[in-house]
Amino acid sequence: KAGVTQTPRYLIKTRGQQVTLSCSPISGHRSVSWYQQTPGQGLQFLFEYFSETQRNKGNFPGRFSGRQFSNSRSEMNVSTLELGDSALYLCASSYNPLGGDGNTIYFGEGSWLTVV
Amino acid sequence: AQRVTQPEKLLSVFKGAPVELKCNYSYSGSPELFWYVQYSRQRLQLLLRHISRESIKGFTADLNKGETSFHLKKPFAQEEDSAMYYCALRYSGGGADGLTFGKGTHLIIQP
Repeated sequence: KAGVTQTPRYLIKTRGQQVTLSCSPISGHRSVSWYQQTPGQGLQFLFEYFSETQRNKGNFPGRFSGRQFSNSRSEMNVSTLELGDSALYLCASSYNPLGGDGNTIYFGEGSWLTVV
Repeated sequence: AQRVTQPEKLLSVFKGAPVELKCNYSYSGSPELFWYVQYSRQRLQLLLRHISRESIKGFTADLNKGETSFHLKKPFAQEEDSAMYYCALRYSGGGADGLTFGKGTHLIIQP
């Protein structure tokens, strides 16, 4: 079956703009989680959605937000972009919530965001 | 708060030599630990999880609660093992759960 799909793969934005990234989970998966990957901070958990509800949120400012649709597809939005938001944004999906036992999480290839 | 530490940013060993990638964690609850691997130009993928107690691609990892470690080991390294390796801890409880990753170790296997 198809893996986790993220779009767009690459994008360049200007400081102050906003960006929306999209994630299509593996068919049947109900949990979608988002991560930011940078050389300095590594992989950091942003938030998780399950059945259209945000279950958990990492330690990021309110400029980072997301949502999940009834078909489990998810979007994340970053408003008022800063240079430090340049990163690889990874989406992952799983059948059960992140806290569920025996849960395997599958990652997408990521969206490379460059803020100039 | 939970934390995962991978002390080595880069580890270089020769083909056929043993490999050990270190991972230490701090977490007040019952930990569930994973190793993820990212080969060049590929997506991050699960290598193994401690509850499975399995060997994948010759790699094993044992959870040592006394030393709060989950080191990844392979007795004989192969060139195709070259990749980024991330140790991760799943935390749960108190109304919040998620995954915390270490900063990764870049493993290079020299011919």
